[in-house]
Amino acid sequence: QKEVEQNSGPLSVPEGAIASLNCTYSDRGSQSFFWYRQYSGKSPELIMSIYSNGDKEDGRFTAQLNKASQYVSLLIRDSQPSDSATYLCAVFTGGGNKLTFGTGTQLKVEL
Amino acid sequence: DVKVTQSSRYLVKRTGEKVFLECVQDMDHENMFWYRQDPGLGLRLIYFSYDVKMKEKGDIPEGYSVSREKKERFSLILESASTNQTSMYLCASSVGRGRNGYTFGSGTRLTVV
Repeated sequence: QKEVEQNSGPLSVPEGAIASLNCTYSDRGSQSFFWYRQYSGKSPELIMSIYSNGDKEDGRFTAQLNKASQYVSLLIRDSQPSDSATYLCAVFTGGGNKLTFGTGTQLKVEL
Repeated sequence: DVKVTQSSRYLVKRTGEKVFLECVQDMDHENMFWYRQDPGLGLRLIYFSYDVKMKEKGDIPEGYSVSREKKERFSLILESASTNQTSMYLCASSVGRGRNGYTFGSGTRLTVV
């Protein structure tokens, strides 16, 4: 079982719709959770972090964390073509002392 | 604005060459990391360092070495480049061990011919 799992996609949504990206993790001791956006040929950029159960909103982005079910999700409202990218989920586990990344979900926002 | 700077955006090297990839951060971060990223394989950790002159192997250290002589600089060395080391190389840094996430450099696309 992979430590951090994501559906590779591509996930296609129409412009203006809500995109929902999901990530599950295996270590119950995980403490911090992150979403990175990576455009093709570019490096990952941190867009959201979440540390406690519940929702965290930042503009059009909402991160959701459910530690009991070991999943974290990213919602993108009013999706724009500029949101088309690969989204990486990353999890920090104290025991490992470093981030573990999922392989990413490719999002395509279509006109 | 905090920055992690990788010295080269694109690099082409010949098989057998010794290759140096440089990374500099201006955030006074203790921790620095080198990853490679390949399609379908995601980010794979090569080496990391929690302090000056310290280094630890990641998941795929074979064929690589690192140097950290100063806090702000972390170098990745390919002792004898091979074609299977053609990849995107990403440097990252963090304060603490990563609890608050990593900041990535812009990446170096290395092609070994």
